[in-house]
Amino acid sequence: GQSLEQPSEVTAVEGAIVQINCTYQTSGFYGLSWYQQHDGGAPTFLSYNGLDGLEETGRFSSFLSRSDSYGYLLLQELQMKDSASYFCAVRGGTGGFKTIFGAGTRLFVKA
Amino acid sequence: NAGVMQNPRHLVRRRGQEARLRCSPMKGHSHVYWYRQLPEEGLKFMVYLQKENIIDESGMPKERFSAEFPKEGPSILRIQQVVRGDSAAYFCASFSSPQGADGYTFGSGTRLTVV
Repeated sequence: GQSLEQPSEVTAVEGAIVQINCTYQTSGFYGLSWYQQHDGGAPTFLSYNGLDGLEETGRFSSFLSRSDSYGYLLLQELQMKDSASYFCAVRGGTGGFKTIFGAGTRLFVKA
Repeated sequence: NAGVMQNPRHLVRRRGQEARLRCSPMKGHSHVYWYRQLPEEGLKFMVYLQKENIIDESGMPKERFSAEFPKEGPSILRIQQVVRGDSAAYFCASFSSPQGADGYTFGSGTRLTVV
């Protein structure tokens, strides 16, 4: 089966850096993704890691270590608008056709 | 290029009624996923469909729930004889290739309330 663990809540101040960790268990691994969801909104895709290492997209970076079944999302220069829920998602199963989402990390950015 | 279109945005049903949720994928996308999200929780996988085929319905309750993605028209998630526990947000996502590096594009969701 597939399962993911991530912290339920993180609080940080504007301008700071925050790291959201994610550990996973899956049969068949095809990649780890991150999504952002604001209250009442739809999840939006942020990043994808298929191989070990760091992927950078503007203020957001994502890291993957397949040997540790671990990844993280790094948010830099936090802004108030970054307050949202962040979900890690692992693509697995036979053929990589199923993506399972974690329960989400609620990020609160304070002034 | 319109994104993933879901309708209705909000749906209220009385217990025992049927709910029909529609999802039109992005142009060129032939893979559709349905997810359910309860308040303050993550997205739970329900079903993965390609045109005219159900590929994986392991996350969908065996009773009362069904999904289809016909050759023409939107994908439909159908919930018969709804109960209060069905109240949730239902998101559809489409994809050009499930094994690609680009992520899912989600629709705005249908918020189902069962009264």
